[in-house]
Amino acid sequence: EDQVTQSPEALRLQEGESSSLNCSYTVSGLRGLFWYRQDPGKGPEFLFTLYSAGEEKEKERLKATLTKKESFLHITAPKPEDSATYLCAVTYGGSQGNLIFGKGTKLSVKP
Amino acid sequence: DTGVSQDPRHKITKRGQNVTFRCDPISEHNRLYWYRQTLGQGPEFLTYFQNEAQLEKSRLLSDRFSAERPKGSFSTLEIQRTEQGDSAMYLCASSLSGRGILGGTKNIQYFGAGTRLSVL
Repeated sequence: EDQVTQSPEALRLQEGESSSLNCSYTVSGLRGLFWYRQDPGKGPEFLFTLYSAGEEKEKERLKATLTKKESFLHITAPKPEDSATYLCAVTYGGSQGNLIFGKGTKLSVKP
Repeated sequence: DTGVSQDPRHKITKRGQNVTFRCDPISEHNRLYWYRQTLGQGPEFLTYFQNEAQLEKSRLLSDRFSAERPKGSFSTLEIQRTEQGDSAMYLCASSLSGRGILGGTKNIQYFGAGTRLSVL
């Protein structure tokens, strides 16, 4: 059973078309939820970390929110350079600090 | 460059050969993690070190895999008798653990660019 599920698997947007990516988790005792961006052939790049329900973080066109069972990554007026795979990961009481990742959402933004 | 450094970036080997990867973490980071990522999947945890102590190993880490972190600095991951199923991207990450450090970085893991292994 997947502990972290991301949807959709792939998302195609036109430049300027805002949307949201979802990350749902089933672990107990969440310690932190992390969003990373990964470009092809590269390692994940840290974007945000959220620790408690109701918390929000923003960076440029990205905004991450957290509830008790899921997180959303909102992308406002995306640009082609936002195209990447966005990974969600959690740490929880039983994970000893290592990250449990979802499979990611591959975002393509067309000009 | 003060980020996580991995070497080599690419490795092609024949089945049955041994390979070793190196990871240099961000200086002063006391935790170092190894993950494996296959196409279309998120990274999967393999093992981690706090300073020089290896504190946890995943069941994914078979007896053919061994990792070390001498002196709590760089780390190496060795795969013996490689199999085609070992083909993947091997990622290293480092973090600074503890409470109230640097205004709440709280174990944020920073990743290297990875080593892509192809076993023929």
